[in-house]
Amino acid sequence: RKEVEQDPGPFNVPEGATVAFNCTYSNSASQSFFWYRQDCRKEPKLLMSVYSSGNEDGRFTAQLNRASQYISLLIRDSKLSDSATYLCVVNFNNNDMRFGAGTRLTVKP
Amino acid sequence: GAVVSQHPSWVICKSGTSVKIECRSLDFQATTMFWYRQFPKQSLMLMATSNEGSKATYEQGVEKDKFLINHASLTLSTLTVTSAHPEDSSFYICSARDSPQPQHFGDGTRLSIL
Repeated sequence: RKEVEQDPGPFNVPEGATVAFNCTYSNSASQSFFWYRQDCRKEPKLLMSVYSSGNEDGRFTAQLNRASQYISLLIRDSKLSDSATYLCVVNFNNNDMRFGAGTRLTVKP
Repeated sequence: GAVVSQHPSWVICKSGTSVKIECRSLDFQATTMFWYRQFPKQSLMLMATSNEGSKATYEQGVEKDKFLINHASLTLSTLTVTSAHPEDSSFYICSARDSPQPQHFGDGTRLSIL
């Protein structure tokens, strides 16, 4: 099993659609979780941290399921500007940060 | 929000040259800095983790004598690619973290070796 696994996609969705990404992780002792987005030829930017109770930031909702060891990201009302690669990042232990390979999203008009 | 500055953003140089990349945390003290490399259409690959004042921890397969890392202060880390060759051409990205906060990335350095 990969340490942090994501569906690579690509996900091609029309504007206004709702899209969800999942990410599974192998280390049950992991303590912190994040979603980053990375645009083509740019650095990753923090989208949101993921908290145990789940959290929402505008059109974005992140959830954590510790029992099943997965986190999810839901994007509602997709915009063209949401097109990017979404990276799941899990802090295995202290500064042992593990990245998923990313899920590519393309939002089309 | 947290800002990490990386310099230079683009380097083109001849084979055999050594190249130094700087990574600075501008508005926070970074207890840990990370160096990544990313080839086109591939995911980020962690090269090394460095804590201020101590030696960097390199990932398996990364030559420490080839990629010299210095983390001299809580706001500055440098990566020196020594005697760079065309196969070292890549996108190098640093990130900085003040644990337990998330890491924040520099805007990357595109290195092209001719």
